[in-house]
Amino acid sequence: GAVVSQHPSRVICKSGTSVKIECRSLDFQATTMFWYRQFPKKSLMLMATSNEGSKATYEQGVEKDKFLINHASLTLSTLTVTSAHPEDSSFYICSARPPARSEETQYFGPGTRLLVL
Amino acid sequence: AQSVTQLGSHVSVSEGALVLLRCNYSSSVPPYLFWYVQYPNQGLQLLLKYTSAATLVKGINGFEAEFKKSETSFHLTKPSAHMSDAAEYFCAVTEGGTYKYIFGTGTRLKVLA
Repeated sequence: GAVVSQHPSRVICKSGTSVKIECRSLDFQATTMFWYRQFPKKSLMLMATSNEGSKATYEQGVEKDKFLINHASLTLSTLTVTSAHPEDSSFYICSARPPARSEETQYFGPGTRLLVL
Repeated sequence: AQSVTQLGSHVSVSEGALVLLRCNYSSSVPPYLFWYVQYPNQGLQLLLKYTSAATLVKGINGFEAEFKKSETSFHLTKPSAHMSDAAEYFCAVTEGGTYKYIFGTGTRLKVLA
C-alpha cells in the first residue's frame, strides 16, 4: 500500500515553455502532498506543501508564480513549471501523506527529471 | 528550529561488513525520525521510522536504527552489507507541529566486493 506515482518520469522542454508534472496517490487519499526539488548529489529541498482544496504553502525563496501547484482532488496534485529556463532543470519529487496515519509518514513518488534546453 | 546532521557524505564498506550511517538531530519537541533510501534516478523508499514507541526500530532489508534521546541520535545499522545496499540514504525529522520533513544532506553508501 501507499503507492505514489509521478508523470512524466522524464521531460525535456525548450526554454520559455511550461511543463506540468502530475503526482498521484494510487491507493490512498492524500489531503497533503509535498513537492521537493533535488539538485545533483544533493539533498531534497522542500518547495511547497499542497493541501487539497486550498492554496499551496510555499517555502521561503520559492517563486509561487513560477511553480504553480494545484491539488484539485484527494489523489492528484500537479506542479507546473512556467516559462521554464535551464536553471529549472532538476529532479522533482512529490510525496503524499495518508491522513489516517498519525506517524506523519510521507510516501514518495519516483521523481521527474526535467531538462530545459 | 529542527535540523538533521548526517556525518559522512560517503561511506564505503566491504560486502558482509557492518553498515553504520550516522544521523543526529536537534529538536525542541519529541520528534518523528525517518530513514529513507534512494537508488539512482528514483524516488525515496521508506526504510524505517521512529514514532515514540520502541527505541530500537527494525526496518526493511535488514536495517535497524536506535533512537537515543540523550545523544540526539538515530543511527542506521545493518549487520552485513550486501552489494544491493549501495545507494543514497537520507535521515529526516519532522518539523515540530507540522508534517514537514527536514532532511539531512544524505550519505552515499558504497559496498565493495
